[in-house]
Amino acid sequence: AQSVTQLDSQVPVFEEAPVELRCNYSSSVSVYLFWYVQYPNQGLQLLLKYLSGSTLVKGINGFEAEFNKSQTSFHLRKPSVHISDTAEYFCAALKAAGNKLTFGGGTRVLVKP
Amino acid sequence: DAGITQSPRHKVTETGTPVTLRCHQTENHRYMYWYRQDPGHGLRLIHYSYGVKDTDKGEVSDGYSVSRSKTEDFLLTLESATSSQTSVYFCAITPNGESYNEQFFGPGTRLTVL
Repeated sequence: AQSVTQLDSQVPVFEEAPVELRCNYSSSVSVYLFWYVQYPNQGLQLLLKYLSGSTLVKGINGFEAEFNKSQTSFHLRKPSVHISDTAEYFCAALKAAGNKLTFGGGTRVLVKP
Repeated sequence: DAGITQSPRHKVTETGTPVTLRCHQTENHRYMYWYRQDPGHGLRLIHYSYGVKDTDKGEVSDGYSVSRSKTEDFLLTLESATSSQTSVYFCAITPNGESYNEQFFGPGTRLTVL
């Protein structure tokens, strides 16, 4: 069965500092990978996605992620965070021939001034 | 929110009562999904639909049923609500024509079962 693990449940970070959110997946088949963001009391919004091709994926709001097949990872990074990046972030995986997303448990990012 | 509405947005109910949540979309998307969100678990798929009257179970389907009698509406029913079903419920769609099944989410329904 496919699984997605987000290694940190909470990440406190100071404003303008870099942040990295870690995500590992397990799958014996090709997968598509996604990062979603959920701002307080809102739904999920897609940040970025990896389907194929370049392993470095750029998304909205200055976020980027790198797909590493050998390490089965898809870590999310931002070089300089803002207060407005305070949110919960979810990594998700989808089998290439499937239609069921598997989510990680989420990482809460708290940006401090 | 990709043209997805959910109703109600908030509901408080008592154990043992039936509850129906509605997901409505206006763009004739074929695929629709219901998830529940709980702390530490991310989102987990309850049921999904791939067309009118075509539905299938997800990983946490026990205690839930769904119906899709028309393309635009996907209903989630808790036949007899339990406190363990207190959660935030999200509906999602996959836009028609997408080859990689990207999903877009509605605003959510917060359900409290007392």
